[in-house]
Amino acid sequence: GDSVTQMEGPVTLSEEAFLTINCTYTATGYPSLFWYVQYPGEGLQLLLKATKADDKGSNKGFEATYRKETTSFHLEKGSVQVSDSAVYFCALMDSSYKLIFGSGTRLLVRP
Amino acid sequence: GAVVSQHPSRVICKSGTSVKIECRSLDFQATTMFWYRQFPKQSLMLMATSNEGSKATYEQGVEKDKFLINHASLTLSTLTVTSAHPEDSSFYICSAPGDRGDYEQYFGPGTRLTVT
Repeated sequence: GDSVTQMEGPVTLSEEAFLTINCTYTATGYPSLFWYVQYPGEGLQLLLKATKADDKGSNKGFEATYRKETTSFHLEKGSVQVSDSAVYFCALMDSSYKLIFGSGTRLLVRP
Repeated sequence: GAVVSQHPSRVICKSGTSVKIECRSLDFQATTMFWYRQFPKQSLMLMATSNEGSKATYEQGVEKDKFLINHASLTLSTLTVTSAHPEDSSFYICSAPGDRGDYEQYFGPGTRLTVT
């Protein structure tokens, strides 16, 4: 079945450091891909998405590119802030519109 | 934008009692809603798909009689945890696809259930 694999955390960075969180997927066809963020004590928020190969999703300085050839959707940000500390989930939407989530990666940004 | 609410946000109940959690789409209609369970520091596990006017579809391993789902209207789905036990303590989250044709899902803020 479809699945999502993302790097284990926690990831600890200093403020203004470069961030990469790896995400790869296994799916039949070409699913839509998403990154969700969960701040402490809150629900999930959509961060960005890409619906087809080579699409780049971007929001709040975060970017991810849908790479069909490597089945990847890595999340990047050039300069993280303390306020970016959260748990990040990579997900795909399968053919029945269900979201399949990766295990989540906790990011801690220190001042 | 599309907003999904959940009620209550937190609930504490005693073992053996039942708890109902509501999920509402506030400004759009949702013929389908999804219920997830999130364990501490873990990912979301899809429990079931709630279908308006028909039975819910449960994922493998989820007890139908334990987690009763009712999709009473186009804006409301309820999850009832019956005869709750401490191991049912978790964070329950619902989501609903938007109605703009892009299949983006909107998540409720979650309900933290603690069974004592």
